[in-house]
Amino acid sequence: AQSVTQLGSHVSVSEGALVLLRCNYSSSVPPYLFWYVQYPNQGLQLLLKYTTGATLVKGINGFEAEFKKSETSFHLTKPSAHMSDAAEYFCAVNTGGGNKLTFGTGTQLKVEL
Amino acid sequence: GAVVSQHPSRVICKSGTSVKIECRSLDFQATTMFWYRQFPKKSLMLMATSNEGSKATYEQGVEKDKFLINHASLTLSTLTVTSAHPEDSSFYICSARDLRASGSYEQYFGPGTRLTVT
Repeated sequence: AQSVTQLGSHVSVSEGALVLLRCNYSSSVPPYLFWYVQYPNQGLQLLLKYTTGATLVKGINGFEAEFKKSETSFHLTKPSAHMSDAAEYFCAVNTGGGNKLTFGTGTQLKVEL
Repeated sequence: GAVVSQHPSRVICKSGTSVKIECRSLDFQATTMFWYRQFPKKSLMLMATSNEGSKATYEQGVEKDKFLINHASLTLSTLTVTSAHPEDSSFYICSARDLRASGSYEQYFGPGTRLTVT
């Protein structure tokens, strides 16, 4: 069965600093991996996704993630944090024959001045 | 493109009443829609998968008679919480898969509905 682990329920960075949000997955089939962002009282917005091909995936708002099969990881990074990046971030993997998404528990990113 | 709307965004109802939440794909057709429930500071829990023209598939532990799902068209799915109780208070989020994007498994999410049962 597929599963997702997000290490660190809360991450705090200074504005301008590197953002690193960790995601490890477990999947019995080649995974499709996703990062979503959620702002308070809103739905989820797709940041980026990995399906096949290039393992370094670039998304919106300057975020990127690298699929590392050997480490079963799909960590999310951004070189320089902005105050507007403060939100909840969810990593997800496709499951149920591809039709469903299994979400991690989320990481709350706080950006400080 | 790929916009999903939900209505209402917030609803307060009395215990014992029923509440209907609509989920619409505005600019694409969705044969499959999903309903999630999110508790405060928690992840999303998949409640059911809704397929156009057929019965919804519920996840284990979700009461199908309490959470009625109807997917009557390629752009509309509804979730009805029947005989609501305070423990049903939560943030309900729907998502949809684009019929044209088969194989990508990407889901587009609605903005959510905050249900409060008093």
